[in-house]
Amino acid sequence: NAGVTQTPKFRVLKTGQSMTLLCAQDMNHEYMYWYRQDPGMGLRLIHYSVGEGTTAKGEVPDGYNVSRLKKQNFLLGLESAAPSQTSVYFCASTPGGARQPQHFGDGTRLSIL
Amino acid sequence: TQLLEQSPQFLSIQEGENLTVYCNSSSVFSSLQWYRQEPGEGPVLLVTVVTGGEVKKLKRLTFQFGDARKDSSLHITAAQPGDTGLYLCAGGLTGAGSYQLTFGKGTKLSVIP
Repeated sequence: NAGVTQTPKFRVLKTGQSMTLLCAQDMNHEYMYWYRQDPGMGLRLIHYSVGEGTTAKGEVPDGYNVSRLKKQNFLLGLESAAPSQTSVYFCASTPGGARQPQHFGDGTRLSIL
Repeated sequence: TQLLEQSPQFLSIQEGENLTVYCNSSSVFSSLQWYRQEPGEGPVLLVTVVTGGEVKKLKRLTFQFGDARKDSSLHITAAQPGDTGLYLCAGGLTGAGSYQLTFGKGTKLSVIP
């Protein structure tokens, strides 16, 4: 069972470069989320989607864009990477609202030099 | 604004000891989830509590949701090295925020053999 798959697992970028992180889930979940995890900060919500074609801002959306063109995929884009975006990024999916368990991928470790 | 305060932030104990981790807020949550995260992996759900005063047990782990649904605790009896990890509480809000979880900053537990 694949569950939630994130690619790539590791990436190093230079300041100003752009990249896209891919999240794919095979559980037919409606809701998908992108978080970033920094030391001592817990998980902070960047953007989320409540269904195909929808996106919404979370707690820390600045500098990021997202798209949900297909139900199973949720893409996170960095248009012009900054050192402050160095973090571990997690994608999660859930079949319903906040009472449903969130299923997480294993994360993408991103370093911006 | 940090809606969920977890304490302690770090905890190092000997195998066989008992411990309690706290998750507190001034906000009322419709549900409260506890996750465990191991290094290099995404968080994995341990339990969801939805009713004020609810107590759930998972082997040596006991979870309690406060009567007013503003706080929760996780108690581990006779800790084992396999319990080592980052424990995260996450609250589900009502109304417009009902799609999201708000995470605490986590408690990093080390159980020494």
